[in-house]
Amino acid sequence: SQQGEEDPQALSIQEGENATMNCSYKTSINNLQWYRQNSGRGLVHLILIRSNEREKHSGRLRVTLDTSKKSSSLLITASRAADTASYFCATYDYKLSFGAGTTVTVRA
Amino acid sequence: KAGVTQTPRYLIKTRGQQVTLSCSPISGHRSVSWYQQTPGQGLQFLFEYFSETQRNKGNFPGRFSGRQFSNSRSEMNVSTLELGDSALYLCASSHDMAGGFTDTQYFGPGTRLTVL
Repeated sequence: SQQGEEDPQALSIQEGENATMNCSYKTSINNLQWYRQNSGRGLVHLILIRSNEREKHSGRLRVTLDTSKKSSSLLITASRAADTASYFCATYDYKLSFGAGTTVTVRA
Repeated sequence: KAGVTQTPRYLIKTRGQQVTLSCSPISGHRSVSWYQQTPGQGLQFLFEYFSETQRNKGNFPGRFSGRQFSNSRSEMNVSTLELGDSALYLCASSHDMAGGFTDTQYFGPGTRLTVL
């Protein structure tokens, strides 16, 4: 069973725009991780945020975590065509539990 | 460091057969986890191995099994294949942290299994 829900399910944006996706989860967590997957290939780890952190940055990525609302968001700034992929949040509590993912399409 | 490798990358089997998939973790990683990805169920945890022992297990039938060797390489086996076993099988490795928790999981490219 999936731990979380991602919103939106799909997102289409113009190159250079920002993309924001949200993730909600159900149980308490140790950490939350975001992954990217290109065309059914392996998952690429993007960023990990621990339960005692509220915000984290990595390059063009910004992740927030609100444990009181059991939600997280991923912001990709200045998007590029190469950012076209599916993005998954995953909560970790002895195993990764993934959401259904957000499919992002960046138009040139 | 080399990443997680999985072999084979693609596999076609028929119902009733069995299959073995292999995963080599990143050097120094002792935890190996397996996940199944299907369009209908998404990404689901199969099991995790650490130091040759299964440490955690997901909700999959006993037809799905695995093992880990002393060099941390892992294999998973699916017996009596069913059409519904068609999926992308992903292996992930990670460092082990205190308390049985692991840190960031690094995924391999996956094995695409098709059952006919």
